[in-house]
Amino acid sequence: SQQGEEDPQALSIQEGENATMNCSYKTSINNLQWYRQNSGRGLVHLILIRSNEREKHSGRLRVTLDTSKKSSSLLITASRAADTASYFCATDKGGSEKLVFGKGTKLTVNP
Amino acid sequence: DADVTQTPRNRITKTGKRIMLECSQTKGHDRMYWYRQDPGLGLRLIYYSFDVKDINKGEISDGYSVSRQAQAKFSLSLESAIPNQTALYFCATSGMGDYGYTFGSGTRLTVV
Repeated sequence: SQQGEEDPQALSIQEGENATMNCSYKTSINNLQWYRQNSGRGLVHLILIRSNEREKHSGRLRVTLDTSKKSSSLLITASRAADTASYFCATDKGGSEKLVFGKGTKLTVNP
Repeated sequence: DADVTQTPRNRITKTGKRIMLECSQTKGHDRMYWYRQDPGLGLRLIYYSFDVKDINKGEISDGYSVSRQAQAKFSLSLESAIPNQTALYFCATSGMGDYGYTFGSGTRLTVV
């Protein structure tokens, strides 16, 4: 069963705008990760945030984690057409060290 | 060369046939995983292995088997393929204490 659920399922924005995707999960975690997938390709690890962290940055990416609400958000600032992809959150459900993935948010950035 | 290599990239097979999907990695990681991806369902874990002698079932292991031939090699078999096993299959690796996964490019399997 899915541990993480992304919201929205699909998001369409213009180049230069910010994109925000949300992830909710059900059980306790040690860490939460975000991955990106270009159409039909393998997933690429973007960023990991540990349960004792509240915010993390990597380039144009900003991830927040609220363990009390069991939710995370991924913000992509100043989006580019090349950011068009599906984005997945994944959690180590209960600290099991094997990841459970959500269904993903499909982001389209229009030039 | 890619860190995680999956073969074949695409495969069409007939119902009832046995098929093996192969995965090899050059990351030196102990942990390897097989996932399948279906449209709208995200990725679901089939099997995982934390070292050569360790094999564990995932969420959807029925109809599948695996073999960990070496630290670098982890193959997935469909003993008797059926159409609802049509999907995109991914192999991934991770190191202990390094929770980020490295994925292969996937195998697109069609069972007709």
